[in-house]
Amino acid sequence: QSALTQPASVSGSPGQSITISCTGASSDVGYYNHVSWYQQHPGKAPKLLIYEVTKRPPGISDRFSGSKSGNTASLTISGLRAEDDADYYCCSYARNRAFVFGTGTKVTVL
Amino acid sequence: QVQLVESGGGVVQPGGSLRLSCAASGYTFRSYGMHWVRQAPGKGLEWVTFIHYDGSGRDLADPVKGRFAVSRDDSKNIVDLQMNSLRTDDTAMYYCARDLVGDYTFDIWGRGTMVTVSS
Repeated sequence: QSALTQPASVSGSPGQSITISCTGASSDVGYYNHVSWYQQHPGKAPKLLIYEVTKRPPGISDRFSGSKSGNTASLTISGLRAEDDADYYCCSYARNRAFVFGTGTKVTVL
Repeated sequence: QVQLVESGGGVVQPGGSLRLSCAASGYTFRSYGMHWVRQAPGKGLEWVTFIHYDGSGRDLADPVKGRFAVSRDDSKNIVDLQMNSLRTDDTAMYYCARDLVGDYTFDIWGRGTMVTVSS
């Protein structure tokens, strides 16, 4: 199972919006709506931001939103803030009953 | 509050074994499936294994099949990861994570326990 493909880095200024893509295959992202996104600050555990493509868990800001088209899922962060500076990972359930993570994206707030 | 605490990490030689534990609190443990996810130093996240809420099913990532095994003890609210035939590329921070029921998602994570495989 190959890792989902994410851009290595994305940057933006405070207040701007950025979008992170997550490209998989017809056997994972394209087959299921079981796509989730996680934020990880250095030295910390990952934190759930989005699940089932578009759903936000309680306590997660509506500045974070998710979408999917075909084999590619996306995470959009609007109104970028300094605390959004972190690594972001997508994840999808796959037809072989495994979970596959993305390669990770470093978001830099300029 | 809901909390997961991993333990059991350490340094082990190639070919050796290690048993990790994850202690859960703050919720009805027996109602949730549990995952293990690992992260090699400076690398991305990699799913390792999942055990269903009632222990009836287990799934393993291909790199650990035949070497790792997951189990749970609902009387103690713990999930264990038995790791055998360890290799240097198993070196990683190991996180346990709760499965968000029905949504194939890791909703709560522990802080992790570090495993180093080195001679």
